[in-house]
Amino acid sequence: AQKVTQAQTEISVVEKEDVTLDCVYETRDTTYYLFWYKQPPSGELVFLIRRNSFDEQNEISGRYSWNFQKSTSSFNFTITASQVVDSAVYFCALSQQGGKLIFGQGTELSVKP
Amino acid sequence: GAVVSQHPSWVICKSGTSVKIECRSLDFQATTMFWYRQFPKQSLMLMATSNEGSKATYEQGVEKDKFLINHASLTLSTLTVTSAHPEDSSFYICSARDRGRVGYEQYFGPGTRLTVT
Repeated sequence: AQKVTQAQTEISVVEKEDVTLDCVYETRDTTYYLFWYKQPPSGELVFLIRRNSFDEQNEISGRYSWNFQKSTSSFNFTITASQVVDSAVYFCALSQQGGKLIFGQGTELSVKP
Repeated sequence: GAVVSQHPSWVICKSGTSVKIECRSLDFQATTMFWYRQFPKQSLMLMATSNEGSKATYEQGVEKDKFLINHASLTLSTLTVTSAHPEDSSFYICSARDRGRVGYEQYFGPGTRLTVT
């Protein structure tokens, strides 16, 4: 069965703190894709990153970084020096063959000034 | 590029009426579109996969006679909520895959907020 677990329902930090959002997935497929999306209060999903199962290199984009570890089936997301504008719900997702996305439960991040 | 629009962005309807939501890929062709539903404070749940020119594939537990999906062209899929009830009130989001690109990336529409009174 395919499953994505985001154990942290809500996280609250103070501006400039670093924060890591956890994502653990389950799949029997050898080829799959992992995603992170941001959903601000407006509701529109904002694509952040896509990773395929054969590329375990960590990625950094500005204040964002991702740590993909197949050994632990994890794809964690870290925001460095968080800002108030980072406040949103963040979803981790797994794509099966055919493109269907399975989303985790989401983590609501609140960054306070 | 890769823009997906949805119309309307919000709609309020009375119980028992039907509502149609459109999902359009504006600058690419989409052989496959997906429809998701999101209740408040919850995750996105896939309702159905819509393929151009064929019948939609519904996820388990989704009533196909209640949620009619039509994917008549490579740029348009519609979701019709028939005989809507208050429990159908939700945020409906579509996504589309670009037939011209390799990989599993989907482009999401901005969503449609449905309120049934």
